[in-house]
Amino acid sequence: EVQVVESGGGLVQPGGSLRLSCTVFGGTLDYYAIHWVRQAPGKGLEWVSGISLDTPRIGYADSVQGRITASRDSAKNSVHLQMSSLRAEDTATYYCGKDMTPGGMGVWGKGTTVTVSS
Amino acid sequence: DVVLTQSPLSLPVNLGQAASISCRSSQSVVHYNGNTYLNWFHQRPGQSPRRLIYEVSNRDSGVPDRFSGSGSATDFTLRISRVEAEDIGVYYCMQGTHWPYTFGQGTKLEIK
Repeated sequence: EVQVVESGGGLVQPGGSLRLSCTVFGGTLDYYAIHWVRQAPGKGLEWVSGISLDTPRIGYADSVQGRITASRDSAKNSVHLQMSSLRAEDTATYYCGKDMTPGGMGVWGKGTTVTVSS
Repeated sequence: DVVLTQSPLSLPVNLGQAASISCRSSQSVVHYNGNTYLNWFHQRPGQSPRRLIYEVSNRDSGVPDRFSGSGSATDFTLRISRVEAEDIGVYYCMQGTHWPYTFGQGTKLEIK
């Protein structure tokens, strides 16, 4: 059974940086895509970024464009999200979701919490 | 970006009754390969979202058959035939046809 586990969240000051990681267990990074979805406290789900694993495609939401970079580390079966110039409105639980079939995001992790505050 | 609009946003239901959630898309979510990547998720308080339905009408493994999905192109529906206590939480539709993937606002189901 494929599982994904997020790590790297924490408390950071406005303007600071953080690197989130999503590690895949029980499967490989070879197919479809991995996405980052965030949920601010009491709010809905917002797609943040996606990295396609079988085609050269990376996407970012307008709200984070220019401040976030997604990358993959095949040796560690992981995808990373480098976040910089963080703002209070980036405070959220960040979930990693993996497409097990195209367009599906069938596997989700438990999330990692990012708090941007002074 | 594709905008998904769910209704209702709040859904009070009696146990054992049927419930229905609509998801309308600002543009067709039929992929050029002919598939429609419209999904439904359920999120209980304090938990991660769990996918219930993929590609409009396919139930994920372990999802009770009281859940069903239907629709096409821009108009989709999630139905629960007989609501049980464990069904409380928020339901989201999500399209994975076009990047960026987008979610509906969420529908909160509660027991009357």
